[in-house]
Amino acid sequence: SQQGEEDPQALSIQEGENATMNCSYKTSINNLQWYRQNSGRGLVHLILIRSNEREKHSGRLRVTLDTSKKSSSLLITASRAADTASYFCATDAGGNEKLTFGTGTRLTIIP
Amino acid sequence: GAGVSQSPRYKVAKRGQDVALRCDPISGHVSLFWYQQALGQGPEFLTYFQNEAQLDKSGLPSDRFFAERPEGSVSTLKIQRTQQEDSAVYLCASSLEGSRVPQYFGPGTRLLVL
Repeated sequence: SQQGEEDPQALSIQEGENATMNCSYKTSINNLQWYRQNSGRGLVHLILIRSNEREKHSGRLRVTLDTSKKSSSLLITASRAADTASYFCATDAGGNEKLTFGTGTRLTIIP
Repeated sequence: GAGVSQSPRYKVAKRGQDVALRCDPISGHVSLFWYQQALGQGPEFLTYFQNEAQLDKSGLPSDRFFAERPEGSVSTLKIQRTQQEDSAVYLCASSLEGSRVPQYFGPGTRLLVL
């Protein structure tokens, strides 16, 4: 079963604009990760945020985590055509090592 | 260094056939995971190894699915008596230490059961 849901399911923006996608999850977590998947490079890790962190940055990526609302957001600034992909959040919880993925947001950057 | 590799990349099987999918993790990675991804969905956890020990197989959908990692490196996911609902992409991932660190995914094996 999918732990999380990404919102929106699909998003199209012009190149250079910012893209924001959200993830909601159901149970308390240890960590939340964001992954990108496209046909060329498969599933690639982007950023990991721990449950005691509220915000994290990596290059053009900014992730926030609100454990009280069980939600996270991923912001991609100054989008590029190469950012076109599906984005998934994934969580691990309790003593389990498995990652539970959300349903994904399909992002299209229009040149 | 080399990433996670999987073989075959594509597999067509007739219903009822047995298939074996191979995963070569990144050298030195203790943890190895198998996921199943249906079209348009996120990956779903199947099983997890720490070295050669299979610590979690709660995601395996039936007893037709079996995974092993006998020497703590290469892993094989075997599906016996394949069914059409087994058609999916099977992803393997490895990490240095469970899910508290990033997982590195292979390109996947796309399985089509006819």
